[in-house]
Amino acid sequence: GAGVSQSPSNKVTEKGKDVELRCDPISGHTALYWYRQSLGQGLEFLIYFQGNSAPDKSGLPSDRFSAERTGGSVSTLTIQRTQQEDSAVYLCASSPLDGAQETQYFGPGTRLLVL
Amino acid sequence: GENVEQHPSTLSVQEGDSAVIKCTYSDSASNYFPWYKQELGKGPQLIIDIRSNVGEKKDQRIAVTLNKTAKHFSLHITETQPEDSAVYFCAAESGNTPLVFGKGTRLSVIA
Repeated sequence: GAGVSQSPSNKVTEKGKDVELRCDPISGHTALYWYRQSLGQGLEFLIYFQGNSAPDKSGLPSDRFSAERTGGSVSTLTIQRTQQEDSAVYLCASSPLDGAQETQYFGPGTRLLVL
Repeated sequence: GENVEQHPSTLSVQEGDSAVIKCTYSDSASNYFPWYKQELGKGPQLIIDIRSNVGEKKDQRIAVTLNKTAKHFSLHITETQPEDSAVYFCAAESGNTPLVFGKGTRLSVIA
C-alpha cells in the first residue's frame, strides 16, 4: 500500500516568510510525528499527535512553529517568519497505534532552505 | 530526559567484513531500542528493534545486542554488501515519551 507522503519535497523561501509543510500518513494510522533533521544531525522530535488526545508539543523549538492534524489524518506543519536556522529536512512519520514501542513509518521528508 | 550517544559517526568497511555501531543511553527506564536505516534522499526505515526483556535479536545478517546494566546497545551487520551503505540511527524510548535518536553513523561499504 501507499506509504507516508510529504509535500513539497523541496522548498526554498526567503527569511521572514511563512511556510506550510504537508504530511499524508498511512491510511488508518493513529499516531503522527514530526521531526527535524539538520545536516549531519540526528532526528529532533517536534510534535506528536496521538488519536483524540491533545498533541505532545514539547519538541517545538519556538512559538513560530505550529502543527495541526485535521480529521485524524493529514497534518500541516507551519513555520512563521522563517529564519535561516530553520533550514533542515522536516520528516513526518506515522504508526498504527498510539503509545510506546510502535514502529514509525517515515515519509521522504521536505527539504527546506531559508535564504 | 533521555540522551542517546552513537559511535562512530562514520565507518568504512570492506565488502564482506562486519560492521558494528554502538549506542549508549542515559535513562534506565528506557525499554525499547529501534535501529533505523536512512538511504540518500529517503526517510529512515526500521531495520530491527529490541525490547528490554531480551539481550540479543537477530535477523539474517543483522543483529542487535542490549546490555541494560551498562545502558548500551549495538548493531552488528555481518557479510556487508554495498547496498548496506547508508546512515544508521539508533533510538531509545521510555514509556510514552517520544523516541530519542542518536546523531547517526554513516556506513560506507567498499567493494
